[in-house]
Amino acid sequence: ETGVTQTPRHLVMGMTNKKSLKCEQHLGHNAMYWYKQSAKKPLELMFVYSLEERVENNSVPSRFSPECPNSSHLFLHLHTLQPEDSALYLCASSQVFESSTDTQYFGPGTRLTVL
Amino acid sequence: AQSVTQPDIHITVSEGASLELRCNYSYGATPYLFWYVQSPGQGLQLLLKYFSGDTLVQGIKGFEAEFKRSQSSFNLRKPSVHWSDAAEYFCAVGRGGSGYNKLIFGAGTRLAVHP
Repeated sequence: ETGVTQTPRHLVMGMTNKKSLKCEQHLGHNAMYWYKQSAKKPLELMFVYSLEERVENNSVPSRFSPECPNSSHLFLHLHTLQPEDSALYLCASSQVFESSTDTQYFGPGTRLTVL
Repeated sequence: AQSVTQPDIHITVSEGASLELRCNYSYGATPYLFWYVQSPGQGLQLLLKYFSGDTLVQGIKGFEAEFKRSQSSFNLRKPSVHWSDAAEYFCAVGRGGSGYNKLIFGAGTRLAVHP
């Protein structure tokens, strides 16, 4: 595997289900990100982990719970979602330097549908 | 506050024609600028980026972009479009500073290519 991979690619879940999205980066990076991409809305940054520490939580509802067990893996745990949470969830990674000239590389996304 | 405007929601060009996608940004300091492309059902692929130096930046797939500080613009160009260039294009500005490079994305421009 190369780059950033995400599983599953498609997920359909009911509002009472619990599921998890997985992201893995094979680039040796030290920061990972979750974004939400809804129709007709710009990409929204949800969470950022840098050196396995959460450094950003963009007012995301608690029904989304991120987990970063190591620098290569990132999870997004989902529970009691709403239909408006249906979207493409994108993972990205970057190598963070002091100068913050890092570049983010994206995975293919997980298309989530909440019924 | 940082913002990115992509004035054109949809653009249609003929195959072989030249292309220019507009991007205007609002940011107080020197911006870090990016163009990404997203094919249907896929994640974002980095086309090119500008951090400093030469204001004309070359990217992959024959794309280039020019940073014009006086116009707060970072327009993407390609001299001859191929049918495979049909996709959605996103301009982004990075905050820089300490920590990771926080990206603000434009709403995107969807490109259609006629044979």
